[in-house]
Amino acid sequence: GEEVAQTPKHLVRGEGQKAKLYCAPIKGHSYVFWYQQVLKNEFKFLISFQNENVFDETGMPKERFSAKCLPNSPCSLEIQATKLEDSAVYFCASSQLRQFYGYTFGSGTRLTVV
Amino acid sequence: DAKTTQPNSMESNEEEPVHLPCNHSTISGTDYIHWYRQLPSQGPEYVIHGLTSNVNNRMASLAIAEDRKSSTLILHRATLRDAAVYYCILRDMEATGGYQKVTFGTGTKLQVIP
Repeated sequence: GEEVAQTPKHLVRGEGQKAKLYCAPIKGHSYVFWYQQVLKNEFKFLISFQNENVFDETGMPKERFSAKCLPNSPCSLEIQATKLEDSAVYFCASSQLRQFYGYTFGSGTRLTVV
Repeated sequence: DAKTTQPNSMESNEEEPVHLPCNHSTISGTDYIHWYRQLPSQGPEYVIHGLTSNVNNRMASLAIAEDRKSSTLILHRATLRDAAVYYCILRDMEATGGYQKVTFGTGTKLQVIP
């Protein structure tokens, strides 16, 4: 399809629980990106994939965050042992190689850690 | 990434033109200027991009200063649906896919008054 599908839309987890977020990129897009939006306007880059390979993970908190993009499956972002500070909206975006006219973002997953 | 500076917020009356400014004094020769917007409870959405010449599409126009150190996104007739946070972003056209991660600033929150 022509949209990036993120599930679930909302996720509530108790502190210390695991959270798993999913992203189905647009078919044919080689690159997938994950961003975290904590405060209203501030985005933090987490990780990018080229097909199933991690391309850039410089933004990932390595201890508790992991991500995968496997063939024929939605990409996933997993947070082990969630903390209150992980509460945020997580956006996934996909793009074609050298697609200068931009990413296509999903509508996000709102994670609330209580 | 080269940095951009935008006003925190702007107001416009409905059906009037809106000019959203962006300063990018450290722009390099290979940086494209991209604009995204984020509607409430949505992921960012591509609006327009340009390199040197002014650009028009169905959503907006982009006016780029001759020295490329600033640009202006123009919405010709603001509607209530244009109320969003607008982000001005620089992207290196020479970058390979993994370096296509986008660095967002804090953007301009546009309020449209009926």
